[in-house]
Parts: sequence; structure tokens; C-alpha cells
Amino acid sequence: DAGVIQSPRHEVTEMGQEVTLRCKPISGHDYLFWYRQTMMRGLELLIYFNNNVPIDDSGMPEDRFSAKMPNASFSTLKIQPSEPRDSAVYFCASSSTYNEQFFGPGTRLTVL
Amino acid sequence: GENVEQHPSTLSVQEGDSAVIKCTYSDSASNYFPWYKQELGKRPQLIIDIRSNVGEKKDQRIAVTLNKTAKHFSLHITETQPEDSAVYFCAARDPGGSQGNLIFGKGTKLSVKP
Repeated sequence: DAGVIQSPRHEVTEMGQEVTLRCKPISGHDYLFWYRQTMMRGLELLIYFNNNVPIDDSGMPEDRFSAKMPNASFSTLKIQPSEPRDSAVYFCASSSTYNEQFFGPGTRLTVL
Repeated sequence: GENVEQHPSTLSVQEGDSAVIKCTYSDSASNYFPWYKQELGKRPQLIIDIRSNVGEKKDQRIAVTLNKTAKHFSLHITETQPEDSAVYFCAARDPGGSQGNLIFGKGTKLSVKP
């Protein structure tokens, strides 16, 4: 298995633009997580899905952030409009019930 | 909900010394406690985990201990090497919800000086 796949690996955009981050979880995993990591705030859980259904989105900063999981092998995290304070590394992770989470390589987002 | 506190935030040791990182959790129903290592510019990766039915687990130079009564768990690294330098995160499974979510500590930056 290739592990959790994320794209793009790096994204540089201008304030106000829409940003879409993509994730392919490990096949067979029924949980998918989106995290944001910054020096100031550490590793923050934004939202997680179980069997493609959003379970907890209380970590989503505001309405500019949205996430979808249309099927078991794909998820997106969208920021619209983006702001400089959204600059961070965004990780996607997946797991099967009761087992460890495997992280993807992350997407480094820079909003100018 | 579950809350995880991690100490210290930074730790510097000489090569060959031991390093200990401690975490506390708030919900006594938590039953799974993993530790992740994140090297600079890389993703967090699991290095060891422990479940609530055991008190200690070892894997070569790494060990984790769990005290359920006190609700704390610790990571012990012996004979530290420069390649152990990284940020270490503890986590506890949130017993609420659907049993998949982990609550992470803020991380400990370990520096091993040669």
C-alpha cells in the first residue's frame, strides 16, 4: 500500500483565492482525519469522518473551511476565501477502528 | 471531552543519556495511548503505543508506562542518539464519539547533543 496520499505537497496562493487540498486514505481504513499544524497552535484536529460521514467538525475554524468525503477513497478540504493566517501544514490521516492513525506527507500551504 | 497535557515542551539531553516525556489525560475511560515522533519537515509517525490493559511496553530503547489511577503515561528513551532529535507527541483516544479520534498533546521538542 502506498500509504496516505495527499496533494498538492506545496501550495502558494494569494489571499482571497480558493484552495482545495486532497487526500486518499489507506484502502480499508474507515476513519479519515484532517489536521492543521502551526508553530503557535501545534497539531489541531479540524474534522474527522467515519465511513465517509463527518463525525466531528468542531475544530473547523470558520465557515471559510469545508470538507467532504464523497467516497471511501477520497476527501477534500477547501478554504474559500483563503487568508494569510491559514498558512500552515495540513495533514490528512486515516485509521481503522481502534488502531493507529497513519499520516500523509502533508500539504504546506502559504497564503500571501 | 478528553484533554491531554504534555511536559516538558522542550528537552535537551546529552547523547547516551535518558529522556523522559510525561503526559496526563482527563478521561478515565480512555483506553489507547500512542506516541508519535515527528522529524523536521516530516509527518508524525507512530513509534510505540499502549492500551489500558497493560502497565508498560518496551521496544528496544523506547518504553512507555501507564498509570491508570493517576491518569498519566510516560515515554522513556534510553541511550539517546542524535537521530532521536525530533518532536514527540503523546495522544489519548477520545472515549466519546465513535472510538476513532485521538486527542494530542502539544508536543515535546527533544534535542540530543552529540
